[in-house]
Amino acid sequence: AQSVTQLGSHVSVSEGALVLLRCNYSSSVPPYLFWYVQYPNQGLQLLLKYTSAATLVKGINGFEAEFKKSETSFHLTKPSAHMSDAAEYFCAVRDTGGFKTIFGAGTRLFVKA
Amino acid sequence: GAGVSQSPSNKVTEKGKDVELRCDPISGHTALYWYRQSLGQGLEFLIYFQGNSAPDKSGLPSDRFSAERTGGSVSTLTIQRTQQEDSAVYLCASSFYEGELFFGEGSRLTVL
Repeated sequence: AQSVTQLGSHVSVSEGALVLLRCNYSSSVPPYLFWYVQYPNQGLQLLLKYTSAATLVKGINGFEAEFKKSETSFHLTKPSAHMSDAAEYFCAVRDTGGFKTIFGAGTRLFVKA
Repeated sequence: GAGVSQSPSNKVTEKGKDVELRCDPISGHTALYWYRQSLGQGLEFLIYFQGNSAPDKSGLPSDRFSAERTGGSVSTLTIQRTQQEDSAVYLCASSFYEGELFFGEGSRLTVL
């Protein structure tokens, strides 16, 4: 069965600093992996997805994530944080050929001026 | 509409009452999902429907929870004999086959 672990329920960075949000997954078959963002009082929207093409995936708003099979990781990064990046971020996994999508517990990102 | 629509956006009910939450997915999307989001708990998978296949109900927390999808489109999540621990935001999402999930704004349920 799939599972997702997001390390750190809260991450705080200064504006302009590197953002690193960690995600590790468990899947019995090659997975599809996703990062979603939820801004305050809004629904979830897709940031980026990995579907077995390039291992480095670029998403919206300057975010990217790298699929590392050996580490079963799909960490999300952004070189320079902006105040508008403050939100909750969710990592999700789906088995290829399936539909069940499992989400992690989320990481709330705080950006300090 | 262009997006996933959920109603009601807020529901306050008394313990023991039944509630129905509605989801209208994006037109043409084949899959429909229900998740529950509790404070600090992330998104808990409840159920998904895909085309005419039997739904995957493996995430429903008890037999008080049920869902149906009529005509391959609109879905209703029903919670019978509500309990205080059912208080949460219930999120619906749809997708086109194995594509990304598109989420609605959610239905916030408060059980007094």
